[in-house]
Amino acid sequence: AQSVTQPDIHITVSEGASLELRCNYSYGATPYLFWYVQSPGQGLQLLLKYFSGDTLVQGIKGFEAEFKRSQSSFNLRKPSVHWSDAAEYFCAVGALRNTDKLIFGTGTRLQVFP
Amino acid sequence: KAGVTQTPRYLIKTRGQQVTLSCSPISGHRSVSWYQQTPGQGLQFLFEYFSETQRNKGNFPGRFSGRQFSNSRSEMNVSTLELGDSALYLCASSLGDTNNEQFFGPGTRLTVL
Repeated sequence: AQSVTQPDIHITVSEGASLELRCNYSYGATPYLFWYVQSPGQGLQLLLKYFSGDTLVQGIKGFEAEFKRSQSSFNLRKPSVHWSDAAEYFCAVGALRNTDKLIFGTGTRLQVFP
Repeated sequence: KAGVTQTPRYLIKTRGQQVTLSCSPISGHRSVSWYQQTPGQGLQFLFEYFSETQRNKGNFPGRFSGRQFSNSRSEMNVSTLELGDSALYLCASSLGDTNNEQFFGPGTRLTVL
C-alpha cells in the first residue's frame, strides 16, 4: 500500500537559515508527489508538485523539492526561511496515480525564530 | 475566480446527532474530495465525487456519506455522531482529469460533545 513518512514532527529554524523537510514515500511505480502548507485555521495550499520530468521542482514562495527515486524521497527545501513560513507542511502522494485521492504524511510543524 | 468555500466553518453537535457539511467547488471543477483531519490520525481521505458519482472511497464507516449535485456542489453527512468524529473536515476540488491539482477549502471544524 502507498504511504508517506515525514520523519520530523517539529522543526525549529532561525529566520534566514536554510530549510529541508524530509519526505519518504512507498509506492510501486513513479508516484505523483505533492507538498502542501497549512497555516493555523486555514486549508491546504499547494507549494509544488511532481508528476514526471525534471526531478528538481520549483514551487511558490521560494520552495523547491527534489525527487530521488533511489531513495524514495521528495524533500522540500528553501535557502532562506522567512518568519511567515512558520506553518505545518504536508507531503502527499496520489494514490494509484490518482491525484484526486491523496495520501498524506503526518506533517512537519515549522517554527521560525527571529 | 472564487476559491473553494465550505459551510459552516464551525459546528458543535452532541453524540448521536447527525450533521451535514457543504462544499462549493471552484467554478468549472467537477471533482470534489473530502478529507478528515485529526491530531491523532492526520489527514485521511474520505471520498471523492465526480459528475455526481462517487469515484473513490476511503476506509471510513458507512456513517460517513456524501453526494454531489449537478452544479458540482457537494455535501457530506455524518450520522450517529461519535466523540471521535471531532475533526477539521476539508473539501478539495479539481478539474477531475488526470494530473490535476486539488484546491482546498478552509475546512469545517466539527466538535462533538
